[in-house]
Parts: sequence; structure tokens; C-alpha cells
Amino acid sequence: AQTVTQSQPEMSVQEAETVTLSCTYDTSESDYYLFWYKQPPSRQMILVIRQEAYKQQNATENRFSVNFQKAAKSFSLKISDSQLGDAAMYFCAYRITGGGNKLTFGTGTQLKVEL
Amino acid sequence: GAVVSQHPSRVICKSGTSVKIECRSLDFQATTMFWYRQFPKQSLMLMATSNEGSKATYEQGVEKDKFLINHASLTLSTLTVTSAHPEDSSFYICSARPLAGNQETQYFGPGTRLLVL
Repeated sequence: AQTVTQSQPEMSVQEAETVTLSCTYDTSESDYYLFWYKQPPSRQMILVIRQEAYKQQNATENRFSVNFQKAAKSFSLKISDSQLGDAAMYFCAYRITGGGNKLTFGTGTQLKVEL
Repeated sequence: GAVVSQHPSRVICKSGTSVKIECRSLDFQATTMFWYRQFPKQSLMLMATSNEGSKATYEQGVEKDKFLINHASLTLSTLTVTSAHPEDSSFYICSARPLAGNQETQYFGPGTRLLVL
């Protein structure tokens, strides 16, 4: 069974600084997708960034980038120039290609942004 | 684009009653919709996968007779919590996979908070 582990229950970052959230996963599949979702206090799940496992290049979306290490099964999220609006729960998620598109979520990391 | 709505956003009901939650994809058609449950300060747990026109696939440990799922169209799936009890109180979230376009991503609804008294 696939598992996703987020070892940091909480993280804090100063406004305008950079923070990295860690995520590791366990799978025997070679073709899959990885996601980072953000859940602010409103509880609305928002897609932050997506990475296809077959792509070696790390995905980036504006201030958000990932460090995807396939051999190590690691998928960390870097948030640059942190803003107050980045404060939220961040979930790492995994999905194999096909397979009913079921997402497996990690336990989440609560990110606090301080002035 | 890719907006998913849920109705109601909050519901309070008495123990023993049934509650229906709707999940709609507003600007796209969805072959597959997913229902999750989230307890406070915990992750999302998949309850079932709903495919239009066919029976839902339930995850292990989820009672299909208690959590009835209907996916009658490509834009609507409903979750009915039958004979609700206080332990069913939770946050229920749906997501939808587009029929066309970006099929690799699920788009989430805003969730429904259920409180059973």
C-alpha cells in the first residue's frame, strides 16, 4: 500500500523568508503523480503544485517550487517570500497513474507565518 | 474554471435522521467524484469513489448502507448519511475529476460540516 509521510506537524516562517515542507512517500510504482494541496482556515482545498514522476525537472509555480527526488521518494515544497496568506495546513498527496485516481494524503503540516 | 460546489455548507440534525449532501461540478463534467471525511486537525480520508452511472466503490471500513452515494449525472453526486449518529459528525469534502482537459487533478468542493446532536 502506498503511504505518504509528513514528519513536520507544524512549521513557522517569518514573512518574506523561505520555508521548506518535507514529504516522503512509499510506493512500488514507477509512474505516478505528486501534489501539494493547501487548506486555509476556510477548509477549501487548493491545489498548490503538481509533479509528474516521469519528469525530472522540478515543478514551479510562482513562489512555490518542489524538490523531487524520485530515488529517495522525497517531495518537498519550498515557499519563497512567504506571505501572511500562505498560512494554512499543507497536505502532500500521491496518486498512481490510472488506478481510479485515488489520492493518498499525508497527515499535513500546519504552516504559521509570522510578522 | 474547475469550480466544485457543495450544499449545504453546514448542517445540524438530530440523531437518527438522514442528511443529504450535494456535490456539483459547476463548469465542467466529471466522470469521477470522490467523497472524503476529515476530522479536526486530521488529514482527509477517502470514503468512496463515485462514477457516473455506476455503483460507488467504497473504501475498507466504510459502510455502504450508511453512506449512500448517487452519481446520477456528470455534474452531480450526492452523499446521504442515513440514520446519522453523533459519531458521524465531521467535515465531508467532495472532489471531482474532469471528463476532459486536466484529468490528472482533482478539484475540491468547499466542504460540508455535519453536526449530529
